[in-house]
Amino acid sequence: EDQVTQSPEALRLQEGESSSLNCSYTVSGLRGLFWYRQDPGKGPEFLFTLYSAGEEKEKERLKATLTKKESFLHITAPKPEDSATYLCAVQASGMGTGGFKTIFGAGTRLFVKA
Amino acid sequence: DGGITQSPKYLFRKEGQNVTLSCEQNLNHDAMYWYRQDPGQGLRLIYYSQIVNDFQKGDIAEGYSVSREKKESFPLTVTSAQKNPTAFYLCASSPDRDNWGYTFGSGTRLTVV
Repeated sequence: EDQVTQSPEALRLQEGESSSLNCSYTVSGLRGLFWYRQDPGKGPEFLFTLYSAGEEKEKERLKATLTKKESFLHITAPKPEDSATYLCAVQASGMGTGGFKTIFGAGTRLFVKA
Repeated sequence: DGGITQSPKYLFRKEGQNVTLSCEQNLNHDAMYWYRQDPGQGLRLIYYSQIVNDFQKGDIAEGYSVSREKKESFPLTVTSAQKNPTAFYLCASSPDRDNWGYTFGSGTRLTVV
C-alpha cells in the first residue's frame, strides 16, 4: 500500500537547537516530493519540491534532502517563528485517475521555545 | 496580490442541511482541488478540476459535489449525505495538472451543530 509517514508527530526545541523532521514513503514511480509549512487555522504554504534522490534545496534556516525512501527537513538554529506544522506530500505516477496521485503525510508539529 | 480566497472562514451546518464553500483564484491556474483535513491525518482529496466544465472525483467524494463554470471559481457543496462533515476544508490550485506546487487558500472550518 502506498504510504507517506512523517515523524515525529510533534517536536519541541529550544531556540537555536537544530534538528530534523523525517518523511518516509513507500510508493512506486515517484515524480516528486513536496514540503509545506502550515500555521494554525491557515492553509499550507509551499516550501520545496524535490525530484530525485540526492537532491537538496535550502531556504533560510530550512534544508530539504531526498533519498530513495525518505526525505529530511533540517532546521538549523530555529527561531520561535519557525513554529508550525510541516507537511510532506509525495506525487507518484500510475496510481490513480489522470495517471498520478498526491499523498500527504499527517505532518510534524514543531514548537520552538525562546 | 494573486492568490486563492476561501469563504467563509467558519461555517456551521445543521443536520440535514446542504452548505456551499466558496473558492476563488486570480492566479490564472487551470487546475483546482478540494482537500479535507482532519486531526492526525494527511490531507485527503475530495474533487479536482483540470479545466472549466470538467471535474473528477478524488478519494472521498461521497457526500460532496462541485462545479467549475468559470476558471476562477470552484465551489464545494457539502450535502446532507455527508455523515461526518466536521473538518477543515482547503482549496488549492496549480498552473496545470502536471505542475506540482500547489497554492492553498486559507481554509474553511465547517462544524455540524
